[in-house]
Amino acid sequence: GQQLNQSPQSMFIQEGEDVSMNCTSSSIFNTWLWYKQDPGEGPVLLIALYKAGELTSNGRLTAQFGITRKDSFLNISASIPSDVGIYFCAGQTTFMNRDDKIIFGKGTRLHILP
Amino acid sequence: ETGVTQTPRHLVMGMTNKKSLKCEQHLGHNAMYWYKQSAKKPLELMFVYNFKEQTENNSVPSRFSPECPNSSHLFLHLHTLQPEDSALYLCASSQLGGLAYEQYFGPGTRLTVT
Repeated sequence: GQQLNQSPQSMFIQEGEDVSMNCTSSSIFNTWLWYKQDPGEGPVLLIALYKAGELTSNGRLTAQFGITRKDSFLNISASIPSDVGIYFCAGQTTFMNRDDKIIFGKGTRLHILP
Repeated sequence: ETGVTQTPRHLVMGMTNKKSLKCEQHLGHNAMYWYKQSAKKPLELMFVYNFKEQTENNSVPSRFSPECPNSSHLFLHLHTLQPEDSALYLCASSQLGGLAYEQYFGPGTRLTVT
């Protein structure tokens, strides 16, 4: 079945550092989504990408839809303590189909060292 | 209330109990989803309801029984669960047929089966 490989699994960084994580697949996706999940909460949508090559920002977050449509990355600039959490990528294979479903990566757990 | 709400937030039940999880979305969406989130595993899609009709059941055991009385409410009825069913159960909603394909999640119900 389709799988998303998300890396790294976890990251330990200093406050103020930039962060980069990515998702890859052997399958082509038409939509990429990035979510963040805080402890004890559900995932919250950060950025949605709909077009190959698209680069979208949301504050200090920037995500790109890879040209091959098989990958996406998320960058966080100048990390702050509230960035701690688990970041999930998600891909959707077809567009405007009632039977679509999202496939999620296993997540990247971000830790910020004091 | 805004967004997607779930009750209860925490539930402890014995293997012989019967309980129900409730989800309500206030976003005017027409699709709702149940996911299971276990430690160190990707989000597992359990059920999908499009326009109140169940369109997907990802080989979920019959001890989990969904109900969608209208497009705003979704229930997950639980009976004779096993300890391995302990997990965070997330509800999500989305609007199908438009350009936006994002799923919005509730905070989840943390279920512990003893």
